[in-house]
Amino acid sequence: GQQVMQIPQYQHVQEGEDFTTYCNSSTTLSNIQWYKQRPGGHPVFLIQLVKSGEVKKQKRLTFQFGEAKKNSSLHITATQTTDVGTYFCAGYTGANSKLTFGKGITLSVRP
Amino acid sequence: KAGVTQTPRYLIKTRGQQVTLSCSPISGHRSVSWYQQTPGQGLQFLFEYFSETQRNKGNFPGRFSGRQFSNSRSEMNVSTLELGDSALYLCASSLEFPNQPQHFGDGTRLSIL
Repeated sequence: GQQVMQIPQYQHVQEGEDFTTYCNSSTTLSNIQWYKQRPGGHPVFLIQLVKSGEVKKQKRLTFQFGEAKKNSSLHITATQTTDVGTYFCAGYTGANSKLTFGKGITLSVRP
Repeated sequence: KAGVTQTPRYLIKTRGQQVTLSCSPISGHRSVSWYQQTPGQGLQFLFEYFSETQRNKGNFPGRFSGRQFSNSRSEMNVSTLELGDSALYLCASSLEFPNQPQHFGDGTRLSIL
């Protein structure tokens, strides 16, 4: 079945450093979504990418969808302690398909 | 607009019992999905309901079942509970169109003793 992979599962950075994480799918995706879950909280939708090669920015966060629509990246510029949490990517393979989540990457930021 | 509401927030059960969890979606959202979250396994899809019909199903045993009512509220049931069923169960709602963002509730933390 479809698999969405996020490696590694944990990353530690110094506040102010940049951070990049990747998401890879075993199959072509119709779109990809990113979510953030703060410790003790629930996943919160961040962004959705639909087009091949699409790039979207949210303040210090930059999201990119790969040309083949099988991978995506999240880049955080100058991390802050508020960026702490687990970031999940999730993808649909087609209309009315289920949303498959990666296992997430947990980011910790040293002040 | 009120968010997704899940009840109860916490539940403790023993092996062999059954449990029913409830989810009220955001007003106007007709699609409700359920996920199991455990450390190291991430979010695993259980099932999705739309207009009272199960539209998608994950790879869970038949002990896990769900339903959706005409007002879009949903319940999931787990029978013959096992220790491995201890997890955070998250419900998410979305608009009726395909491939929409999911809006999650706070979840029900189920512990099996």
